[in-house]
Amino acid sequence: GENVEQHPSTLSVQEGDSAVIKCTYSDSASNYFPWYKQELGKGPQLIIDIRSNVGEKKDQRIAVTLNKTAKHFSLHITETQPEDSAVYFCAASKGSASKIIFGSGTRLSIRP
Amino acid sequence: DGGITQSPKYLFRKEGQNVTLSCEQNLNHDAMYWYRQDPGQGLRLIYYSQIVNDFQKGDIAEGYSVSREKKESFPLTVTSAQKNPTAFYLCASSSGPGSYEQYFGPGTRLTVT
Repeated sequence: GENVEQHPSTLSVQEGDSAVIKCTYSDSASNYFPWYKQELGKGPQLIIDIRSNVGEKKDQRIAVTLNKTAKHFSLHITETQPEDSAVYFCAASKGSASKIIFGSGTRLSIRP
Repeated sequence: DGGITQSPKYLFRKEGQNVTLSCEQNLNHDAMYWYRQDPGQGLRLIYYSQIVNDFQKGDIAEGYSVSREKKESFPLTVTSAQKNPTAFYLCASSSGPGSYEQYFGPGTRLTVT
């Protein structure tokens, strides 16, 4: 079955710098790659997603890139702010919301 | 104010007791899901339901049971057969089987001693 690996498990960056989180997936049939942000004590919230027919997608300070050949995708956060501190999860799916496989999460801390 | 509600936020039980976690949504979504989250791990699917009166096992269904008698509600029962029930439980919904995006509730932290 699908396996999603996420790195790093923790990441600390200076406020204003960029943060990059990377994920790899195993099933080449996967075609949907969402990213979720989870704040302490809350449920995950979708922040951006990308489908396999697109190589890059941006939404203000966040962007996601997808390399289908290498089977990896990345989340980029620019001009980081304190409110970006959270746990971020990548995920992969191959056609049904019932089969979303999540990575193990990255705890991002923004240093003032 | 549309969304998913889970209650209670914190739940404590003694070992050997069954406990039911509530999940309600007013988004008019057809599909609902239950996930378990353990420290340092991703979300693992317990059960899901794509339509009323129907549900399927996820990857870790042993020791859990669900029902889907109403579109808005998808309660999860953690039975005494679940060997390691202490965890953070998340409920989610999506508009239907063809929809990729899932919306999550705030979660219930269950502690069994």
